[in-house]
Amino acid sequence: QSVLTQPPSVSGAPGQRVTISCTGSSSNIGTDYTVQWYQQLPGTPPKLLVYGSDRPSGVPDRFSGTKSGTSASLAITGLQAEDEADYYCQSYDTSLSGHYVFGTGTKVTVL
Amino acid sequence: QITLKESGPTLVKPTQTLTLTCTFSGFSLSTSGAGVGWIRQPPGKALEWLAVIYWNGDKRHNPSLKTRLTITKDTSKNQVVLTMTNMDPVDTATYYCAHRRGSASSGGTFDFWGQGTMVTVSS
Repeated sequence: QSVLTQPPSVSGAPGQRVTISCTGSSSNIGTDYTVQWYQQLPGTPPKLLVYGSDRPSGVPDRFSGTKSGTSASLAITGLQAEDEADYYCQSYDTSLSGHYVFGTGTKVTVL
Repeated sequence: QITLKESGPTLVKPTQTLTLTCTFSGFSLSTSGAGVGWIRQPPGKALEWLAVIYWNGDKRHNPSLKTRLTITKDTSKNQVVLTMTNMDPVDTATYYCAHRRGSASSGGTFDFWGQGTMVTVSS
């Protein structure tokens, strides 16, 4: 039911830069609403990582979010072993009276 | 410090109605911009947003589940209740409630989450 599409997996060696894409449409990412990114470690609830182009206090600046047109991306620079987790994008969709949508999720593996 | 905690049954039978309660602290649902949302995650699968209720009483529901969902708030008790009717085994999931931060009754982000409660639907 996800309307935001992410690659199932991405991987990289420690220290490398990886990006995760999130593809939506004109009614969600293509609007003025921000795109959020969440990190989920096994057995734990999602943690807000990026909202728009900002980060909550305590989130390293290795994580950054961008948006262009109907797509968004999360970049992780200086990949670390502790970054191995599932990542989800999220936006607001203006269709059907308005509702929130999450991405399909991406598993990041540190080689 | 904002905290949220979900409570409710761990096992429900098919066709039954599920009632989950989110009890929170550290914010008031009468504060402009505040909201509480529900999100679920079937085992090994992606997050799925269910519903949200805002400080002003406005509500939004997942369009695919709208006929089955009801969300209410009790501001004095700092609680939000989600009911889902006609439960099916495919509704087996961990159900999370989360604090929604934003400036209007649309958009925004879920910045604090509860630990989640696992609900199994089985006869």
